[in-house]
Amino acid sequence: SQTIHQWPATLVQPVGSPLSLECTVEGTSNPNLYWYRQAAGRGLQLLFYSVGIGQISSEVPQNLSASRPQDRQFILSSKKLLLSDSGFYLCAWSARGGNTEAFFGQGTRLTVV
Amino acid sequence: AQSVAQPEDQVNVAEGNPLTVKCTYSVSGNPYLFWYVQYPNRGLQFLLKYITGDNLVKGSYGFEAEFNKSQTSFHLKKPSALVSDSALYFCAVRGRSGGYQKVTFGIGTKLQVIP
Repeated sequence: SQTIHQWPATLVQPVGSPLSLECTVEGTSNPNLYWYRQAAGRGLQLLFYSVGIGQISSEVPQNLSASRPQDRQFILSSKKLLLSDSGFYLCAWSARGGNTEAFFGQGTRLTVV
Repeated sequence: AQSVAQPEDQVNVAEGNPLTVKCTYSVSGNPYLFWYVQYPNRGLQFLLKYITGDNLVKGSYGFEAEFNKSQTSFHLKKPSALVSDSALYFCAVRGRSGGYQKVTFGIGTKLQVIP
């Protein structure tokens, strides 16, 4: 069966520090991968998606970047965190095809202080 | 552009009563529609989806949803609510046009089941 791992679960970082959140998927190949941010426990904002290694699409201009160095690895990064980067970050994957549902990781609660 | 509306910020229902969480959508052409549930400080879990065929879709944990094309709605329902159903529910839509189509989520509806 497929599983998705996202870590760390919580993170407190000072303003101006770098960020690296990692997400890996097991049990599937060529997944679509996504990074979402959820603010105030409500709506999801799609940050990045990837349909293949090295292929990253950014949805919202911001202080963050994403990379996909391997087929089932998706990394969210920042060189210098801002207070506004605080939030709940969710990684997800879906199989190819428009009718496929997404499977989410457990999320990372990032607090920038 | 596609969009999803969840008009109720919160829905309160007594345990044992039927529940409905509303969702309407806007998309070019026929949609793929999804419902997800989120428990506090957790990721979203898939509940059910509409692809084609029968307008009534059955999913996990006794939930079902009815696709209504004329009203562009996909309301989530359950005949008898449980306290454990209390969570945040998200509706999502994806278009079927050629090429990659991203998923658009609603802002979520908080369901509170009262014992």
